[in-house]
Amino acid sequence: EDQVTQSPEALRLQEGESSSLNCSYTVSGLRGLFWYRQDPGKGPEFLFTLYSAGEEKEKERLKATLTKKESFLHITAPKPEDSATYLCAVPATSGTYKYIFGTGTRLKVLA
Amino acid sequence: KAGVTQTPRYLIKTRGQQVTLSCSPISGHRSVSWYQQTPGQGLQFLFEYFSETQRNKGNFPGRFSGRQFSNSRSEMNVSTLELGDSALYLCASSLDTGPGGGAFFGQGTRLTVV
Repeated sequence: EDQVTQSPEALRLQEGESSSLNCSYTVSGLRGLFWYRQDPGKGPEFLFTLYSAGEEKEKERLKATLTKKESFLHITAPKPEDSATYLCAVPATSGTYKYIFGTGTRLKVLA
Repeated sequence: KAGVTQTPRYLIKTRGQQVTLSCSPISGHRSVSWYQQTPGQGLQFLFEYFSETQRNKGNFPGRFSGRQFSNSRSEMNVSTLELGDSALYLCASSLDTGPGGGAFFGQGTRLTVV
């Protein structure tokens, strides 16, 4: 069964304190792994797509990496405005546009 | 390029009523999916449409239904509302090249059932 698990559930960092969020997945025939940022009461905002093991993508203080079983979202020198819930998702293997989402990591960056 | 537009942004309904939510996908996208998001369950897949055809449905009761029009706009309907239906309902549109192109979300409709 397709499954996505994210850890930790919540993370508090001091401003400038780098860390990593984990997304492990079980799916046959990965067709992409997606990272989103979600602010309270808003829809998820697309961040990155990764397609193959070893691939990396960067955007400002964020860098996403992918292995055959998991993905990491590295946050370097975070700022308070990076506080949000970060979600990862994979397309289901059923050949549709259905995506399987993790439950997210709630990140709080303290000034 | 305009993003995914969902209306209304907020709704308050009474138990037993029904509600219709609307979603306009990104121009040119023919795939629209709906998700329910609650604090305890995260994003749960409701259903997806492609070119006016429902292609997949999540594990929700028959009170939840949807449709897609020829212009790709989609509506979802929930009948006989229950308190547990209170949630953020999210619509996503996807590229026609396949699910590997990603899903792009609207701002959601916050439904509160009282």
